[in-house]
This record gives sequence, C-alpha cells and structure tokens, in this order.
Amino acid sequence: ELKVEQNPLFLSMQEGKNYTIYCNYSTTSDRLYWYRQDPGKSLESLFVLLSNGAVKQEGRLMASLDTKARLSTLHITAAVHDLSATYFCAVATNFGNEKLTFGTGTRLTIIP
Amino acid sequence: NAGVTQTPKFQVLKTGQSMTLQCAQDMNHNSMYWYRQDPGMGLRLIYYSASEGTTDKGEVPNGYNVSRLNKREFSLRLESAAPSQTSVYFCASKLDPYNEQFFGPGTRLTVL
Repeated sequence: ELKVEQNPLFLSMQEGKNYTIYCNYSTTSDRLYWYRQDPGKSLESLFVLLSNGAVKQEGRLMASLDTKARLSTLHITAAVHDLSATYFCAVATNFGNEKLTFGTGTRLTIIP
Repeated sequence: NAGVTQTPKFQVLKTGQSMTLQCAQDMNHNSMYWYRQDPGMGLRLIYYSASEGTTDKGEVPNGYNVSRLNKREFSLRLESAAPSQTSVYFCASKLDPYNEQFFGPGTRLTVL
C-alpha cells in the first residue's frame, strides 16, 4: 500500500522567510503533483512533476522531484501572506489507469 | 468552459436515506474521479473511471456506487447513508497521464 507523508503538517512562518515542505512516498513513481487548497475551497493545481530531477517554478514557489529518494520538495521563497493555504502532494500510480494518493497536507500560515 | 461542476453544493441526509452526487466536465477529459476529504486525512479516492465505460474501486469504496453515464458525467450514489459518510466530496477529471487532475467545487454532505 502506497504511503505518502508530508512534513511538517503545520507551518507558521514570517513574511520574507524561506521554507521547504517535504513529501516522502513509499513506492516507485515518477509522477507527482502539488495542489493548493484555501479554506472551504477546492484544490488548485500548482505543479506537475513527471520525471526524476524535474524542477518547476512559479513565482515564489519551486517544486522538485527525486524519484530515487522518493522525495519531492516544495520550496517557498520570501513568503508573503497570500501564500497562506494548505498544500498537498499527490503521487500517481498505475500509468494508463492512474490513481492518486494524497498526502495529509501542510497547513501554511504566513504571519506579517 | 465551466470546468468540473458538482451538484448539490450542500446536502443534509438522515441515516438510511439515499442520494446521488452529480459531476460533469466539459473539457473532454477521459478520466474522472471521486474523492472524499475528511479533516486531517487529506483526500481519499472512492472510485475512478479511466475512460468511458470503465470504473474501478479506489481506497474507500464501501457504501458507494458510481456510474460513468457518458464521457462528461460521473455520478456517485450513496444507497443507505451513514454518519461516517459525513464529508466533503470532490469530483475531478483528467485528460491523460501527462496532465493534472482538475477538481470541482465540492459537495458538503452531512448525515445525521
């Protein structure tokens, strides 16, 4: 059974600081997704990582994938209040009949 | 494009009642998914449909049935609702293995 673990589960950080969210998973996969969810809202896609060594950046967020270590990271640079949300990683299995297994999420709060 | 739409947005049921959650997408996506989201547990896959005419069980299928009515629509039915099925239900769709899943706005279901 695939396990996807995120840490930390809760993160409170000051504006302007940098931090990293980690996503570890327990089985072979080379496809991983990051999503953002605001309170009471749906999930919004942030990044699609489709191979070992993939790195994607959008604004203050950068995601990477190391399939050998079974690890993805979401790095936040110079945090701003608008980045406060819950962030989920999701690991794909069964190419062609794909299923996603989600991590439990990281609730990020940016403090002015 | 409306994207992924879900109805209803909110629903309250009594134990033992039945209901169907509706999901439709207008993006010509092949795969569709039903998830439930409970506090502190991330999203868990209930059922999915890799293509029109096929459905498969996910992580938590007990108590649910699905119908892929056509390429656009994927419904989730609760035959005899239980309090343990109180949750937020999200439908999602996906074009192919190289793209992300797009999520609907969710249905908040309470079973008394």
